[in-house]
Amino acid sequence: EPEVTQTPSHQVTQMGQEVILRCVPISNHLYFYWYRQILGQKVEFLVSFYNNEISEKSEIFDDQFSVERPDGSNFTLKIRSTKLEDSAMYFCASNGVMNTEAFFGQGTRLTVV
Amino acid sequence: GDSVTQMEGPVTLSEEAFLTINCTYTATGYPSLFWYVQYPGEGLQLLLKATKADDKGSNKGFEATYRKETTSFHLEKGSVQVSDSAVYFCALMGTSGTYKYIFGTGTRLKVLA
Repeated sequence: EPEVTQTPSHQVTQMGQEVILRCVPISNHLYFYWYRQILGQKVEFLVSFYNNEISEKSEIFDDQFSVERPDGSNFTLKIRSTKLEDSAMYFCASNGVMNTEAFFGQGTRLTVV
Repeated sequence: GDSVTQMEGPVTLSEEAFLTINCTYTATGYPSLFWYVQYPGEGLQLLLKATKADDKGSNKGFEATYRKETTSFHLEKGSVQVSDSAVYFCALMGTSGTYKYIFGTGTRLKVLA
């Protein structure tokens, strides 16, 4: 069964460092998303991406964040200068047709120290 | 905007007890509705879904019915097991824009043997 793959599963980084979280969406999907879950809290929408551009972003997704689809298969989330409060689980998701179920990856746990 | 409200947890039950976790939503139009389960340290797993009014989603003994008149999607299981201990998230997929998911705050379930 096709699945969304995220790497790494856990990343520890020092405050102020840049991190890139990677996702491989399902191969024929066209719509891509990043969500964030701070420990013990709800899952929050960060950004959606379609046709090589951001289609919607939340207020959390400030100038420190960026997304890219560099090579037609990967979908990355970059945090330019990490803060302690960026520590969270980050989930990638994709769907093939708008208004259909999205498939979620297993998440990357980011710990900023 | 769209929102999901879930009952506060934690919910503690004895094995074989009946489970109900309440979920209500606010949305424009008729969103698709989902229940996700998250086991400790793991990602989001789709438990069940319903895409239109009066649909019943079911999986692994869990059920939820899409009630348009009460804007609800309550999760039920007739007889819980210790292995059902997890956090349960109700979510909706919006009906406009980018069809992002809106999640509830999650309800932690603990089942005692």
